[in-house]
This record gives sequence, C-alpha cells and structure tokens, in this order.
Amino acid sequence: AQSVAQPEDQVNVAEGNPLTVKCTYSVSGNPYLFWYVQYPNRGLQFLLKYITGDNLVKGSYGFEAEFNKSQTSFHLKKPSALVSDSALYFCAVRDMGSARQLTFGSGTQLTVLP
Amino acid sequence: DSGVTQTPKHLITATGQRVTLRCSPRSGDLSVYWYQQSLDQGLQFLIQYYNGEERAKGNILERFSAQQFPDLHSELNLSSLELGDSALYFCASSPWRTDNEQFFGPGTRLTVL
Repeated sequence: AQSVAQPEDQVNVAEGNPLTVKCTYSVSGNPYLFWYVQYPNRGLQFLLKYITGDNLVKGSYGFEAEFNKSQTSFHLKKPSALVSDSALYFCAVRDMGSARQLTFGSGTQLTVLP
Repeated sequence: DSGVTQTPKHLITATGQRVTLRCSPRSGDLSVYWYQQSLDQGLQFLIQYYNGEERAKGNILERFSAQQFPDLHSELNLSSLELGDSALYFCASSPWRTDNEQFFGPGTRLTVL
C-alpha cells in the first residue's frame, strides 16, 4: 500500500528566508505526487504536482518541489517566505489503480514569522 | 474558487440522526471523491464515483453511503451519527485523465452533539 510521511508537524521560518516542508513517500511503481495547501476554514488548494519529467516542479505562488527518486522524497520549497504563506500543507500520493484517490500525509503547519 | 461547491457549509446535529451532504463537481468533471478530515485520523479517502458508478471505497463506515446522480452531483449520506463522526467532509472532482489533480470544495463541517 502506498503511504506518505510528513516528518514535521510544525515548521517556523522568518519572513524572507527560504522554506522547506518535507515529504517522503512509499509506492510501488512510479509515483504521482501532489502538494496541497489549506488555509483556516477553507478547502484544499492545489499547489503543484509531479507526474514525470523534470525533477524540479514549479507551482503556484512561487512554490516549487524537488522530486528525488533515490531518497523517495518530494520536498516543498520556496526561496523567500511570506507571512501569507502561513497555512497547513499536505503532501499526497495518488493511487495507481483505477480509482486514483489521494493518500495524504499528516500535514505540516507552516508559520512564517514577520 | 475551485469550481466545486458543497452544501451546507455547517451542519450541527445530534447523535443517532441522519444527514446528507451535497457536492457539485466542476463543470465537465466526471469523477467525484469524498474525503473526511478529522483531528485524530487526518485526511482520509472515503469513496469515489465516476459518471454515476461507484469506483472505489476507502475507509468508509457501513453507516455512510454515497451516490452520484445523472447530473453528476453527489451526495454523502451519514446515518446513526456518533460523536466521532464530527469532522470536515470534503468533496473533490477531477476529469479522467491520468495526470490530473483533484479540485476540492470548501467542505462541510459536521458537528454531532
């Protein structure tokens, strides 16, 4: 069965500094990986995805993620954090069967300090 | 705005009751997914429909059921509610291409008292 791990429940970073939110995955076969963000009392918003191709994926709001097959990781990054980036971030892997449902990590609360 | 709508936004009910949550997918999306978000279980996949047919089941209780109608909207029915069913219920939709992401609605917050 596929799984996703987000080892950090909480990440704090100062505004203007680079940020990284970690994610590791376990799947059989090639992974389809996603990052979503959830603001308070809101639904999940899609940030970016890795399906195939370039290991560095660029997404919305200046976020990017680096796929590393040997380390089975898909870390989310941003060169310069904004206070408005403070939110709950979820990494997800998609089922390779016919249903294609998402399996989510436990989430990482990112706080950007002014 | 993802284009996925869910009603109601909030629902407060008592144990033992039955409720229905509604989801309208994005225009053209044939696939609808239901997820439950709770503090202790995190985000869990419940069930998926594609063009009216059930496609996959996740950690969905037998007290819960769903359906997708010909106009592609979907309903999630929760019965014999327990305190532990209190959670945020999300609907997501996607087209059927293999590499498409899912688009999530704003969720329905269910509180069982």
